[in-house]
This record gives sequence, structure tokens and C-alpha cells, in this order.
Amino acid sequence: EPEVTQTPSHQVTQMGQEVILRCVPISNHLYFYWYRQILGQKVEFLVSFYNNEISEKSEIFDDQFSVERPDGSNFTLKIRSTKLEDSAMYFCASSEGNSPLHFGNGTRLTVT
Amino acid sequence: DQQVKQNSPSLSVQEGRISILNCDYTNSMFDYFLWYKKYPAEGPTFLISISSIKDKNEDGRFTVFLNKSAKHLSLHIVPSQPGDSAVYFCAASETETSGSRLTFGEGTQLTVNP
Repeated sequence: EPEVTQTPSHQVTQMGQEVILRCVPISNHLYFYWYRQILGQKVEFLVSFYNNEISEKSEIFDDQFSVERPDGSNFTLKIRSTKLEDSAMYFCASSEGNSPLHFGNGTRLTVT
Repeated sequence: DQQVKQNSPSLSVQEGRISILNCDYTNSMFDYFLWYKKYPAEGPTFLISISSIKDKNEDGRFTVFLNKSAKHLSLHIVPSQPGDSAVYFCAASETETSGSRLTFGEGTQLTVNP
């Protein structure tokens, strides 16, 4: 079964540094998403992306965050200047049309 | 954000018995509901969904019930198997249309004992 692939599985960075989290969505999917889960908290929506532009974003997704689909296969989340509170598990997801989201296994981001 | 709430952080059942996981929501704009299962070190995996025009949807051992007037849904797993042990998340959306955000509950850790 096709999978959403995320790299790296664990990223450690220092506060103030930029990080890029990478995702390869399922190949025929058209909608792409980022969610995150801070330890002990709920899974939270960050952003959805379709047709090379953001469809919807949450209050969390401020100017420090950006998404990009640089080529036909990758979908990236960039955090420009990381803060301690950005430490979380970040999940990429994709879907085709009106179908449920398929999630990747996540990238654990630790900001020190 | 308390729009979707799963009040039971954990549930333990015997193999072969029924597991019932509950979820409540407050946002009357929610129109589409899903259940996801999550194993450690993996992402959430879609299980089953229901649109607000229905009150029940069944897929094999999994059945989701929706009570719109009570703003309550439940997931029934019959019979429960040890491999069902995982965290179960309820999620809701204002539309079934792709691109719209999912709002998740806290999750319920289900343990099925052999």
C-alpha cells in the first residue's frame, strides 16, 4: 500500500535555527497537510495545501512557518527561527479528492 | 481547544469482548467525523468515518454511531483483538471536502488483553 514518507524521523536543533521537515506524499494525491502533536497534547492542524497554494492555515501557522512543494514529489515545512515550544511530533498527510487523510510516521523535532 | 473531547484516556477490555470508545463535540458546524488508530512511532491510520446525514456506519468489526442531537459519537469494535491495542483518535471536520482541517480529540488508549 502506498505510504506518506517523512524524513528525518528525529531532528534536533538549537533555538533560533531554521529547520526543514520533508515529506513525500502519496503520488496521486492532490491535497497535502501538516499537523503537529506536542507531547501530551492533541494533534493540531497547521496547514493544508492544494494546487501550489495554501488552502487553509491555523492560528499556529504564523510567519515563522512556510510550506513548499519544490518539485513533483516533495512537500516541505520550514520553521524559520525555531523556539523551544516548537518541539513536537510533526505529521505530514495527503489525500485525494474527498478521501480520508493518510498520515506519515512523523518527524520528532526537538528544539534545545 | 475543547471542540472535540474524548473523556476516557484509557480503556481495557478482554479479547473477544466489545470495545466502546466515546467522543463528544461542541461545534454544531461539524459535519463529518472520523476515527483514527495510532500505534507507537507511527502516524494515525484511518479506520472509519461517518457523515452527519447518517447515524451508523459499519466496516467489518468496526461500527461508528453518531447522535447529532447529543453531539456524541462512538466507535464499537466487536470482537476485540489484541492487535487492536492502540490509541484511538476521534476527529471532526466542517465538511467532507478535502483541504478542510480536522479537529482531533485527546485520544483513548485501548488495551485488549488476551
